[in-house]
Amino acid sequence: DQQVKQNSPSLSVQEGRISILNCDYTNSMFDYFLWYKKYPAEGPTFLISISSIKDKNEDGRFTVFLNKSAKHLSLHIVPSQPGDSAVYFCAASSSSGSARQLTFGSGTQLTVLP
Amino acid sequence: DSGVTQTPKHLITATGQRVTLRCSPRSGDLSVYWYQQSLDQGLQFLIQYYNGEERAKGNILERFSAQQFPDLHSELNLSSLELGDSALYFCASRAEGGPTGAFFGQGTRLTVV
Repeated sequence: DQQVKQNSPSLSVQEGRISILNCDYTNSMFDYFLWYKKYPAEGPTFLISISSIKDKNEDGRFTVFLNKSAKHLSLHIVPSQPGDSAVYFCAASSSSGSARQLTFGSGTQLTVLP
Repeated sequence: DSGVTQTPKHLITATGQRVTLRCSPRSGDLSVYWYQQSLDQGLQFLIQYYNGEERAKGNILERFSAQQFPDLHSELNLSSLELGDSALYFCASRAEGGPTGAFFGQGTRLTVV
């Protein structure tokens, strides 16, 4: 039972254009959403997050949008740069008693073409 | 540098063997998470510890176990290894008290031959 889904395994975008990565979730108890970026042979690194009480959070070239009614979030990267080429994981967080868990999607490989 | 240290970076072992993966969390972080990433797969949550106690369990096999020690470092023990256990194993740590993200180590690449 995949509670966090990234339906596009890969995405190619031209340098300078917008990259849009999508993520869907099923658990309405998730109250915090995060995006991680992962380069080969490295651990995932935190990129940007959004609380469920917001619908948008922006940090430089990165913007995350949350549509709670559709249980959908997206990461926009503008403008895309070749160094953005990596696997992007969407993650959702919820409290479970006194623990807070992180559930990850399967990732989207972004390739930014020069 | 995330501040989370995992050792060893690479491990090659034979089927049926047992290995121990080690994780040192960021200074002050009480929560440690273990994740498995198999080839072309996402990050599968295995188990979470908080201040020495198990807090949540994911898709962790019975052949696998973990613990967190008083100094907060954690170990993931994998026994009776099978070829399918070959994967990247990541440890992450997080500060409690807010819905912040977790910081990941570089991972241990386990190859079972």
